[in-house]
Amino acid sequence: GAGVSQSPRYKVAKRGQDVALRCDPISGHVSLFWYQQALGQGPEFLTYFQNEAQLDKSGLPSDRFFAERPEGSVSTLKIQRTQQEDSAVYLCASSLSPPHMYMNTEAFFGQGTRLTVV
Amino acid sequence: SQQGEEDPQALSIQEGENATMNCSYKTSINNLQWYRQNSGRGLVHLILIRSNEREKHSGRLRVTLDTSKKSSSLLITASRAADTASYFCATDVEAYKYIFGTGTRLKVLA
Repeated sequence: GAGVSQSPRYKVAKRGQDVALRCDPISGHVSLFWYQQALGQGPEFLTYFQNEAQLDKSGLPSDRFFAERPEGSVSTLKIQRTQQEDSAVYLCASSLSPPHMYMNTEAFFGQGTRLTVV
Repeated sequence: SQQGEEDPQALSIQEGENATMNCSYKTSINNLQWYRQNSGRGLVHLILIRSNEREKHSGRLRVTLDTSKKSSSLLITASRAADTASYFCATDVEAYKYIFGTGTRLKVLA
């Protein structure tokens, strides 16, 4: 596709409900990132995939958060038993190559999924 | 969470004026990037500057980096109403993990 696509754009969940957020990266992009952005704040790193391998999940807030990218393209971020503090915009980004100090590591961001837990 | 700090938090200027925003960070870096975010939208990459570079230009954008002070600045010259957005710096704590600042909200008045 032309860019990183995320769905749904908006999601309202009742507290305790499970949600799944989808990210379609740019075709052929090796690296995929998930970030969480609270209102009025900068994005915070959640997890990183290189192809299908999840190399870093240190930013996931709790074991209720789970991300996967089984075929190295589309990724899903799942949040179980949602709580009000999970309300945020969830951003996905992809980049062509594995990040490297000497290479352009420009990441292309999707428009995000705004999750509201009520 | 580890985030850099940007100042000012908010900036309001007239169209045609220059806008300068600053970013300070805590740890050594390889690269620093600046992003723009329009309200309700995703982040748009503006410019990347490497740790061995001191200044970089792209159109109306000028970025400086001072690694000894752990700070960077973004200058937007001849601002336009369309430049109204939030601007974030992001530093790499590891090759793939970028830490974003809290952002500067720029408003350009027509």
